[in-house]
Amino acid sequence: NAGVTQTPKFRILKIGQSMTLQCTQDMNHNYMYWYRQDPGMGLKLIYYSVGAGITDKGEVPNGYNVSRSTTEDFPLRLELAAPSQTSVYFCASSYSRTGSQPQHFGDGTRLSIL
Amino acid sequence: GDSVTQMEGPVTLSEEAFLTINCTYTATGYPSLFWYVQYPGEGLQLLLKATKADDKGSNKGFEATYRKETTSFHLEKGSVQVSDSAVYFCALSFTGGGNKLTFGTGTQLKVEL
Repeated sequence: NAGVTQTPKFRILKIGQSMTLQCTQDMNHNYMYWYRQDPGMGLKLIYYSVGAGITDKGEVPNGYNVSRSTTEDFPLRLELAAPSQTSVYFCASSYSRTGSQPQHFGDGTRLSIL
Repeated sequence: GDSVTQMEGPVTLSEEAFLTINCTYTATGYPSLFWYVQYPGEGLQLLLKATKADDKGSNKGFEATYRKETTSFHLEKGSVQVSDSAVYFCALSFTGGGNKLTFGTGTQLKVEL
């Protein structure tokens, strides 16, 4: 009963380094999302996908890239890490033809850029 | 654009006290409304939802009623426990455009013995 799995749980990067945050779900959900959570700011949507091969920008996409080659996986790529990208990142998924369906969240990746 | 406003925290209560966390929204149309809860070190979990006006969502003793006339979805619980200590997020979603969630900033609840 894994649900949404994110790896790694913690990571420290140096400025300018790159990395990929992994997200996989085993619920056969068609919709997947990436959010970042900054203290006192709620969650902001970075990118989302409505199915394999289809991605779109959210509210704060700059500095990030995504791909969706399978239904299960939705990795988030940081190409040139900057201190402003220090945050907690959450992946979510939903089986969603309507906005009434809830999203299921992973436990997050805590990322620090130094 | 759409937005959600929550009361600021932290909210500190004694065990068995009554809880209200206010949530109002601004949106064109009638969204679905959600309360999510985040326990320390974990991701968000759905607490309850309501999809149309006058619907009441409920779960684990928590309730919230979708009030179209006041564009509100206040969270209530009659008697809180220490285990309810968490951050609570109000959110809305419309069908279409990825069914994206718009979140409030969250309200931290601390329940003390």
